[in-house]
Amino acid sequence: AQSVTQLGSHVSVSEGALVLLRCNYSSSVPPYLFWYVQYPNQGLQLLLKYTTGATLVKGINGFEAEFKKSETSFHLTKPSAHMSDAAEYFCAVSPGSGGYNKLIFGAGTRLAVHP
Amino acid sequence: GAVVSQHPSRVICKSGTSVKIECRSLDFQATTMFWYRQFPKQSLMLMATSNEGSKATYEQGVEKDKFLINHASLTLSTLTVTSAHPEDSSFYICSASNSATGVNWVHFGNGTRLTVT
Repeated sequence: AQSVTQLGSHVSVSEGALVLLRCNYSSSVPPYLFWYVQYPNQGLQLLLKYTTGATLVKGINGFEAEFKKSETSFHLTKPSAHMSDAAEYFCAVSPGSGGYNKLIFGAGTRLAVHP
Repeated sequence: GAVVSQHPSRVICKSGTSVKIECRSLDFQATTMFWYRQFPKQSLMLMATSNEGSKATYEQGVEKDKFLINHASLTLSTLTVTSAHPEDSSFYICSASNSATGVNWVHFGNGTRLTVT
């Protein structure tokens, strides 16, 4: 079974500050890991994903995440927040090969960016 | 890029009626489609997985007779909420993928806001 825990349902940062959204996962098989962003009343947009290979993954809009197997973590970061980054962020896990498209989502973290 | 279209984006219906939501992959063949439900300020919960030409696989606790899923073609899956009640009001989101082409091919629709009065 797989699960995802996102620490902090709400995160607030100043414009230009570092963004850090935390995600820990549980998986009995090597996981594929994802970060999605959701704007109000819209679907999900993929920010980045980890499947295999390099553990530091770079995504769109300046976001990146690092897969740390020893810590079972996949935290999302961005060096400098922009007002347009305000949204809901979801970390998700899938079981890798053979069912990798079935995503299990975390509870989400709402990011607020203030001037 | 790949596009998944979900229709309608919003629907209001009366209690006891049925509502059909469509999910279309516009420029790729979706061998698998997933239906999620999202309550306000909550995460997405997988309801069911549908593979083209076969019966959907429902997650535990999801009533298959209430949430009818049809995936009759490689570009269309439908979710019908039968005999809707106010507690069915939610945001429903589909995603589509082609399992032959890898994880890149998981794309989400823009969701359908269902309100049952």
